[in-house]
Amino acid sequence: DPKIIQKPKYLVAVTGSEKILICEQYLGHNAMYWYRQSAKKPLEFMFSYSYQKLMDNQTASSRFQPQSSKKNHLDLQITALKPDDSATYFCASSQDRGNEQYFGPGTRLTVL
Amino acid sequence: AQSVTQPDARVTVSEGASLQLRCKYSYSGTPYLFWYVQYPRQGLQLLLKYYSGDPVVQGVNGFEAEFSKSNSSFHLRKASVHWSDSAVYFCVLNTGYQNFYFGKGTSLTVIP
Repeated sequence: DPKIIQKPKYLVAVTGSEKILICEQYLGHNAMYWYRQSAKKPLEFMFSYSYQKLMDNQTASSRFQPQSSKKNHLDLQITALKPDDSATYFCASSQDRGNEQYFGPGTRLTVL
Repeated sequence: AQSVTQPDARVTVSEGASLQLRCKYSYSGTPYLFWYVQYPRQGLQLLLKYYSGDPVVQGVNGFEAEFSKSNSSFHLRKASVHWSDSAVYFCVLNTGYQNFYFGKGTSLTVIP
């Protein structure tokens, strides 16, 4: 059974629109993260949350907003989409300090 | 500042040959170190981890890594590679809490 679910798997959007990427983890972890990976850039850290509180934000643009409605959820809202936002977005989770992260399968976003 | 360097962006080896992927980290404290593998169009999967103790740690699929505090390194090795090992390998440093630092990855191609 998948431990980290990301929905949808593929997403196509038009420039200027808004999308929400879903992430749910069933590992009982208290920390969750978002990463972005594109052809132009290697794996890029975006956000980290712990106990539903924002711990670190390395995303310059306010168009990216994480949303944590439950401890095991960390969705990513992206507004005013641009073609440069096209990438695969990975959600991850970990438990406490020093423990390894577990990654979801990713959502592949294409902005036309 | 903390960082991880993987000096080789691409490595090509023949099937059956031995492999070493290099990783250097920068951190003055006690590091937690990981190697992840990413197969095409998939998320990252944990290969192995080092917290403390024996500097040589064993991972899945015959991989091992050796931690060296004096060299600030955590190199990944495999005695005999298989074509299915072709993937991108990431070295990751955790400095505690939710602070993870990723290398840029090394793309491994195994020639049959």
